[in-house]
Amino acid sequence: LAKTTQPISMDSYEGQEVNITCSHNNIATNDYITWYQQFPSQGPRFIIQGYKTKVTNEVASLFIPADRKSSTLSLPRVSLSDTAVYYCLAQGGGGATNKLIFGTGTLLAVQP
Amino acid sequence: DAGVTQSPTHLIKTRGQQVTLRCSPKSGHDTVSWYQQALGQGPQFIFQYYEEEERQRGNFPDRFSGHQFPNYSSELNVNALLLGDSALYLCASSLMGQGPNQPQHFGDGTRLSIL
Repeated sequence: LAKTTQPISMDSYEGQEVNITCSHNNIATNDYITWYQQFPSQGPRFIIQGYKTKVTNEVASLFIPADRKSSTLSLPRVSLSDTAVYYCLAQGGGGATNKLIFGTGTLLAVQP
Repeated sequence: DAGVTQSPTHLIKTRGQQVTLRCSPKSGHDTVSWYQQALGQGPQFIFQYYEEEERQRGNFPDRFSGHQFPNYSSELNVNALLLGDSALYLCASSLMGQGPNQPQHFGDGTRLSIL
């Protein structure tokens, strides 16, 4: 399973767009990039998943370049409630198992 | 549609004791994974259960054991508790037939404190 690297923390203000970049140089051919969000004392929540190019849903966009060695999670117009830890994972290339390998994540702090 | 539920939400034990944590997967899911999350760290994979068998295990000692029941619910048992076992224990469920890329659904965990 590929190791991912992301910034430890980021600061933003309400209404801004936030982009969190994740590096995964050794990503496997079968790996998907998956992002989870975690609030204090809660379990991680799935945000978005992609394989290449761009994926968009109601809460975020995910940009993955052609070489797939990095990805960027984009959160449009963040609010205070988006303050959380965001985890980037390379998921699925390990065969039948869907074990998740978490790093320390990125703590996003949104201020008024 | 009930999501993943875990019990209890909080638990306090002393060193050397044993503890059992419980998890009910999301309706329709058949696979349960357990994770340990220490303060300030990401979740660490403990093991995964499918068809009532342990299918894969992370780097945890055999003091950590588990069980899956015919209704897909699961238990995590930890023996001879150490101070370092204090953590948030998370349960995640999924459907094995949907492949390794599917997102997992997490419960909100059991906060275990060892005194």
